[in-house]
Amino acid sequence: EVVLTQPPGTLSLSPGQRATLSCRATWDIGTNFLAWYQLKPGQAPRLLIYGTSSRATDIPDRFIGSGSGTDFSLTISRVEPEDSAVYYCQQYGQLPWTFGQGTKVEVK
Amino acid sequence: QVQLQESGPGLVKPSETLSLTCTVSGGSIRSHYWSWIRQPPGKGLEWIGYVHDTGLTNYNPSLKSRVIILLDTSKNQFSLKLTSVTAADTAVYFCAGSSWTTFYYAGAFDYWGQGGLVTVS
Repeated sequence: EVVLTQPPGTLSLSPGQRATLSCRATWDIGTNFLAWYQLKPGQAPRLLIYGTSSRATDIPDRFIGSGSGTDFSLTISRVEPEDSAVYYCQQYGQLPWTFGQGTKVEVK
Repeated sequence: QVQLQESGPGLVKPSETLSLTCTVSGGSIRSHYWSWIRQPPGKGLEWIGYVHDTGLTNYNPSLKSRVIILLDTSKNQFSLKLTSVTAADTAVYFCAGSSWTTFYYAGAFDYWGQGGLVTVS
């Protein structure tokens, strides 16, 4: 299966700063099958990005996905306090579909 | 607006079967791929499997021998059964789906339930 690696730990930022989250895959998954989700405690996960760089419905343009092959990134251009959450990358190019372990972003 | 809601027992005894149902409202369950995903306490997300109204299913090999996912189009519901549970199956279980009807995007989950904690004890 494709293992996705996200750096462990917490990214602590002030409002207005830029956040860059990384995700590395053990196999080339091209550019069409990588998604990013935002997960807050007690809430349903929210799809932010699919197909590496396409924003899902109603996602602000400060969320930017990029990458290809085995290396992918999610950039939050100007973080806001409401962006505090855990962010997961996920690949759906090869079964079983798999998720990274998540990166926590704290904005205060 | 499509909404998903999980239902089922929050406590299951070891060696028994975990059963959850996801009710889809605001849209038809037909033609889409529907999945179950879980998150053990303090850990990441794990995809369990999907079902499609053609009868097609696919399960994570790590759980394949214990999982069944079924679809009931008459009730606009899909369900999860996980047999022979142990404490390692304690998790928040989410139902999820994709608004796309093509398999190309079947794994991009833009529909999610709120999730429900199932404890095996």
